[in-house]
Amino acid sequence: DSGVTQTPKHLITATGQRVTLRCSPRSGDLSVYWYQQSLDQGLQFLIQYYNGEERAKGNILERFSAQQFPDLHSELNLSSLELGDSALYFCASSVGVAEDGYTFGSGTRLTVV
Amino acid sequence: QKEVEQDPGPLSVPEGAIVSLNCTYSNSAFQYFMWYRQYSRKGPELLMYTYSSGNKEDGRFTAQVDKSSKYISLFIRDSQPSDSATYLCAAFQGAQKLVFGQGTRLTINP
Repeated sequence: DSGVTQTPKHLITATGQRVTLRCSPRSGDLSVYWYQQSLDQGLQFLIQYYNGEERAKGNILERFSAQQFPDLHSELNLSSLELGDSALYFCASSVGVAEDGYTFGSGTRLTVV
Repeated sequence: QKEVEQDPGPLSVPEGAIVSLNCTYSNSAFQYFMWYRQYSRKGPELLMYTYSSGNKEDGRFTAQVDKSSKYISLFIRDSQPSDSATYLCAAFQGAQKLVFGQGTRLTINP
C-alpha cells in the first residue's frame, strides 16, 4: 500500500456521461497530481494542486476539471465522456515539489462504452 | 517532439542478464531524473533518483545520467523474473511537473 488511495478502482460508463474520480494523498503530502495513462500515449500529466490551489496544468481537456479540498483529497471530474477517454487515471502525491519524488496510487481504470 | 523519449520495447532477456534501459530528453533545463517501475495493474513506484549528471547505484540497479548528450540509463545486474515490469524514466526542472517517457516493457525469462 503506497498510502495514496484512489477510488473507484474500476469504472464502466457510457459515452456522454460524467464521472468523478477520487484521490486521498499520502498523509502529510500537500501536492496532488493527476495523470492519464493510455497504451499509445504513456503517462500524460493532467493537472497539479498544491495545498488547495491549482499549481500546474498539462494537456487537460476542457471537459475535464479537478479540485483539491481543504482536507487535501482531490477529485477529477470527467464529463461528456468519449470512447477515447478510456484509460488508467493515476493520482500521485508529494510532500512539496517534485524533487521529493511522487507516490502513486493504484489508479482508476475507466472504460467508456 | 516529446520532451522525454523512451523505446517502448518490449524487451525480453534471460534471467541473470544485464539489462540496459535508455531514454533521451530534449529540455536542457531538466535537472532531476528518476526511474519508476510499474507492475501490471499497479501504479508506478519510484526506483531510482539522480540529480544532474553522474551515476547512482542501489543494489543491482545503477542509474546513469549524461547531461552533455541528454541521455538517461538504467542498468539492472543479475536480472530476476521479479524484475519483469514496465520501466519509466522521468525528468523535471525546479518545481515543475514530472515528464515521463513512454515506458519500456521488460520481461525476464527464467
